[in-house]
Amino acid sequence: GENVEQHPSTLSVQEGDSAVIKCTYSDSASNYFPWYKQELGKRPQLIIDIRSNVGEKKDQRIAVTLNKTAKHFSLHITETQPEDSAVYFCAASGGYNKLIFGAGTRLAVHP
Amino acid sequence: DTEVTQTPKHLVMGMTNKKSLKCEQHMGHRAMYWYKQKAKKPPELMFVYSYEKLSINESVPSRFSPECPNSSLLNLHLHALQPEDSALYLCASSQVRDGNSPLHFGNGTRLTVT
Repeated sequence: GENVEQHPSTLSVQEGDSAVIKCTYSDSASNYFPWYKQELGKRPQLIIDIRSNVGEKKDQRIAVTLNKTAKHFSLHITETQPEDSAVYFCAASGGYNKLIFGAGTRLAVHP
Repeated sequence: DTEVTQTPKHLVMGMTNKKSLKCEQHMGHRAMYWYKQKAKKPPELMFVYSYEKLSINESVPSRFSPECPNSSLLNLHLHALQPEDSALYLCASSQVRDGNSPLHFGNGTRLTVT
């Protein structure tokens, strides 16, 4: 079945710096890759997603890149702000149309 | 505003109790999900309903019993739970269960089993 690995597990940056989180997946048939942000005590919220027919997608300070050949995708956050502090989960659509989540990255943005 | 509504927000129950978690969405989504999330872990899929029929059961113990009364409602009936079942239970919905539709999560029910 699908397996999603996410790195790093924790990431600490200064306000204004960029943050990059990387995920790899195992199932070459996976074709949908969402990213979720979960603030402490709150629900996971979709922040951006990408499908396999696209290599890159941007939404303001957030971008996601996908390399299908290498089976990895990354989240890029530019000009980080303290409110970006949260746990970020990547996911990939695996067999039987199930989303498989990565283990999460705890991002801390320091003022 | 949360488009997926879960009740109650918090629940404390003993191991002999029977309780139910409720979830409601009015986005016209035809797929609904139950996830379990332990602290510092990703959501873990439990059940999936597609067009009101159970389509995935991730080998969940029978002390958890899902129910989908209609396309807008999803329940999770709890009976004889164990302390290790304490977790955040998240309901989610998507337009369809095709693996390509974004999941919309509710705020969850924080369950404590004593």
